[in-house]
Amino acid sequence: SAVISQKPSRDICQRGTSLTIQCQVDSQVTMMFWYRQQPGQSLTLIATANQGSEATYESGFVIDKFPISRPNLTFSTLTVSNMSPEDSSIYLCSVEAAGISYNEQFFGPGTRLTVL
Amino acid sequence: AQKVTQAQTEISVVEKEDVTLDCVYETRDTTYYLFWYKQPPSGELVFLIRRNSFDEQNEISGRYSWNFQKSTSSFNFTITASQVVDSAVYFCALIPYSSASKIIFGSGTRLSIRP
Repeated sequence: SAVISQKPSRDICQRGTSLTIQCQVDSQVTMMFWYRQQPGQSLTLIATANQGSEATYESGFVIDKFPISRPNLTFSTLTVSNMSPEDSSIYLCSVEAAGISYNEQFFGPGTRLTVL
Repeated sequence: AQKVTQAQTEISVVEKEDVTLDCVYETRDTTYYLFWYKQPPSGELVFLIRRNSFDEQNEISGRYSWNFQKSTSSFNFTITASQVVDSAVYFCALIPYSSASKIIFGSGTRLSIRP
């Protein structure tokens, strides 16, 4: 399995500010994803983080609001821009590891964001 | 449509009871993967099982068992002799082969085990 860490683990932010969340994996992985989990809800995919190119966003999510970087095969960042209280959620990164069972994904511990 | 339905929003049972969490899925793909994840109060998502569409064998792991039935598009999860530590939200999920590894999650079932 892959060991995934996320920073910060939680944060409380003011409306209108931005927060960058980091996701670090202990091994090279083929696929990295970012999910959002709003309070009491299920997980929704935000985007696929592509190494060396622009992320692929799902319907309802845009790059201006959620810019994503993936400079290499072990690291990605998600920025939540111009935050509003509706952005209060848990943000999770997940990875699909090369050489592991196909389509077996592992999740980071999540970043719990509260926007005031 | 490609989706996962977990009709049970919340379940509460007394410790040591058996409990089954239902999961029904829809996909147009003939190849797909099904998952169960556990999310305890701490928030992390814990992988429990993966099953591919060509493997209908039921699986047992300790107190956990899974029943995969393609005929009814169901992938149910049973906990035998439940324990308080089993209290969590459980998500059933689907990856259709055509989805490029994107997971489709069900809405989750909140399981509470009372002492």
